[in-house]
Amino acid sequence: NAGVTQTPKFQVLKTGQSMTLQCAQDMNHEYMSWYRQDPGMGLRLIHYSVGAGITDQGEVPNGYNVSRSTTEDFPLRLLSAAPSQTSVYFCASSYLGLLGTDTQYFGPGTRLTVL
Amino acid sequence: GDSVTQMEGPVTLSEEAFLTINCTYTATGYPSLFWYVQYPGEGLQLLLKATKADDKGSNKGFEATYRKETTSFHLEKGSVQVSDSAVYFCVSYSGAGSYQLTFGKGTKLSVIP
Repeated sequence: NAGVTQTPKFQVLKTGQSMTLQCAQDMNHEYMSWYRQDPGMGLRLIHYSVGAGITDQGEVPNGYNVSRSTTEDFPLRLLSAAPSQTSVYFCASSYLGLLGTDTQYFGPGTRLTVL
Repeated sequence: GDSVTQMEGPVTLSEEAFLTINCTYTATGYPSLFWYVQYPGEGLQLLLKATKADDKGSNKGFEATYRKETTSFHLEKGSVQVSDSAVYFCVSYSGAGSYQLTFGKGTKLSVIP
């Protein structure tokens, strides 16, 4: 099993550009989520999904879109990048029924810089 | 909503010193509690967990006890090693259809030889 994979590992964008951060898991997990990590702020939830076709907003959804067309993939789209979106982005997944009792599996992260 | 407050860092200890990282939570009911660890340049991984009051989670010499009286879940280790240098996150999950975990801000630990 590859676990949770994220691409790219690093990305530099100019203000106003768009891009998609990719996340995939091969564990058949229903639950997938995106977080951003900023210094002194911990991890903040952007969007999450409890299954294919079902997504919802987290704490900081503005400026980000998601979709979940398959169980395996959960891409995060930045429509018009802003410097405030400079951050490290983590994708995570787990079985929905074990959300409160077992581990979240985290990807290695994508470090995004917006100039 | 839920919130998690953990000890501000950074924390610097000498090898073999005793470690405590404080964590308190506010939540509706009795949440599940976790400690995650993030080693430099990596994603987070689960260190230990406790799903009900008075449970003690333990792993790799680390321990934390779920105290509902004080709404706390402090992380302890009797003798830290250089390899324990990382960022530690206290996390809660209340369920009830929220599907959202609540993270503390993280405590960076540096252990020097």
